[in-house]
Amino acid sequence: GAGVSQTPSNKVTEKGKYVELRCDPISGHTALYWYRQSLGQGPEFLIYFQGTGAADDSGLPNDRFFAVRPEGSVSTLKIQRTERGDSAVYLCASSLPERSPDTQYFGPGTRLTVL
Amino acid sequence: AQKVTQAQTEISVVEKEDVTLDCVYETRDTTYYLFWYKQPPSGELVFLIRRNSFDEQNEISGRYSWNFQKSTSSFNFTITASQVVDSAVYFCALKPGGSTLGRLYFGRGTQLTVWP
Repeated sequence: GAGVSQTPSNKVTEKGKYVELRCDPISGHTALYWYRQSLGQGPEFLIYFQGTGAADDSGLPNDRFFAVRPEGSVSTLKIQRTERGDSAVYLCASSLPERSPDTQYFGPGTRLTVL
Repeated sequence: AQKVTQAQTEISVVEKEDVTLDCVYETRDTTYYLFWYKQPPSGELVFLIRRNSFDEQNEISGRYSWNFQKSTSSFNFTITASQVVDSAVYFCALKPGGSTLGRLYFGRGTQLTVWP
């Protein structure tokens, strides 16, 4: 079956602009996670959803970052007034905790570059 | 505090050599899960293994084996008879708590290069 997909694969934007990153989880997966990976680092947690609600958003760095999952499937990570420090690979993962507890399956990521 | 340490930043070996990647974790939770993921040059994180804190049995899957020792808070990963296709960044991760949901804490990763 299809894995987690993310669009776009690459996004280049200018400082101050608004961007949206999209994640399509594995079909039927109820949990969805966003992480951010800077060069040479491990992924860092941003937020996760169980269904439509954000269960833990403690990793969002500030109020410029926001994520939604209105129908419990696709999620969008939104970044306002982008800064150069936001440049990173944004990873999405999904899981089905009812059947395979705690295993998160990752998408290919979106590489965001803020000029 | 939750923390994962992968002290080896880079490892280089020649094909057919065995290699061990170290992972040390910190958590105060008595129930937790540990993971290894592989990140090849394509960038996608590939799940390799999950272990829970109550199961200290070592596991072998083909050329891969994992040694989990609670006494030293380590969860090391060994590749036997390494191959060029094993070249990737390997991440160890911790999920504290017994819930089926929750964030992962990742180490900084170990870049493994296998030379032909």
